[in-house]
Amino acid sequence: GAVVSQHPSRVICKSGTSVKIECRSLDFQATTMFWYRQFPKQSLMLMATSNEGSKATYEQGVEKDKFLINHASLTLSTLTVTSAHPEDSSFYICSARMTSGGLTQYFGPGTRLTVL
Amino acid sequence: GQQLNQSPQSMFIQEGEDVSMNCTSSSIFNTWLWYKQDPGEGPVLLIALYKAGELTSNGRLTAQFGITRKDSFLNISASIPSDVGIYFCAGLGSGGSNYKLTFGKGTLLTVNP
Repeated sequence: GAVVSQHPSRVICKSGTSVKIECRSLDFQATTMFWYRQFPKQSLMLMATSNEGSKATYEQGVEKDKFLINHASLTLSTLTVTSAHPEDSSFYICSARMTSGGLTQYFGPGTRLTVL
Repeated sequence: GQQLNQSPQSMFIQEGEDVSMNCTSSSIFNTWLWYKQDPGEGPVLLIALYKAGELTSNGRLTAQFGITRKDSFLNISASIPSDVGIYFCAGLGSGGSNYKLTFGKGTLLTVNP
């Protein structure tokens, strides 16, 4: 149980284009999902907290207009990197917390974004 | 903000040896979590600790939640090659409705067969 998937697993795009990453909780409902970014040999840095049916809460320094988050259902959150640039290349990981209770976060497998 | 100091940064050990890593914080956490991350994958939860002083095992892994709630350690006994990876501690604080995780910087474990 508690499986989280991400799609795509890898994406390469041209500078200036937008990329959408999906995060799904497969066997549980998740009112809250989290989006992290991880640069090589570094730890996970929280970008934003996504709450179903409401606006996401962004961490300091994360541009909300550049990283659009939509959490339209209890099993799906999407992160759209708009007008991507090479410095946005990173490993993006989502996590989900069960609606039924508990504070443990279950992580997806991550999405490797490369912007040329 | 809250910060976690995780050590050691990396370890090189022989198969069969025991391993210990720890995290300390300048502030209190209500929950400590230990994750393992393989290259190109997301973190996988190993052990969750919910009470100060709690000692929990998961197979060859043992973790403890420090009495002061500002530290935790993870032990791996009789290491095997598949233990290779990056181990992260993470703390869940109190306050606010989102209960955000704070991660340590990770311990890279290499096991020589």
